[in-house]
Amino acid sequence: QVNLVQSGAEVKKPGASVRVSCKASGYMFTSYGITWVRQAPGQGLEWLGRISGYNGNTNYAQRFQGRISMTTDTATSTAYLDLRTLTFDDTAIYYCARIGLTTTDYWGQGTLVTVSS
Amino acid sequence: DIQMTQSPSSLSASVGDRVTISCRASQGISNSLAWFQQKPGTAPKLLLFAASRLEDGVPSRFSGSGSGTDYTLTISSLQPEDFATYFCQQYYDRTPLTFGGGTKVEI
Repeated sequence: QVNLVQSGAEVKKPGASVRVSCKASGYMFTSYGITWVRQAPGQGLEWLGRISGYNGNTNYAQRFQGRISMTTDTATSTAYLDLRTLTFDDTAIYYCARIGLTTTDYWGQGTLVTVSS
Repeated sequence: DIQMTQSPSSLSASVGDRVTISCRASQGISNSLAWFQQKPGTAPKLLLFAASRLEDGVPSRFSGSGSGTDYTLTISSLQPEDFATYFCQQYYDRTPLTFGGGTKVEI
């Protein structure tokens, strides 16, 4: 069965960087893309971007351009999200999700990133 | 970006009730709409895609309808396990994907 397992919670100081991982299993990683979404406390879901599992091509949300990177390691079927120059507003639960035939069909359990001084 | 307006933001209902949640897009999305269920501390679960198609394994008490800009999720007879937050997502324009604000279904 398809499963996406994300890395554990992180606490970072303002200005720092964070890496969240998303390990996929139960399907051919290179046949599907991964999208990243976040949910700040009390807020709705916000799309961060996506990456192709096939060739690593990326599309990022415009407001994160310059401080976000998404990569994959096909050998371990793992996707990574890197977010730099963190601010308090980046405190959120970060989700990865597989891009299925239509839309995001399987999601990771979420990773809480807390930015605190 | 396509804005998704979901209503209501919360509702109270009882087991056995019929529940309806609405989602309106800021432009036509040609049925490229999905509904998700999320329970506290767990990953969102895909319920329906293409506005009305049930994901495998989802009970038939869940249904979706709509066209153009207006879409609806209906739970025909609310069960105890259905108390959760529901949100819509448009994928007509995938850059960016956008989501409704969510509807919390409470007892």
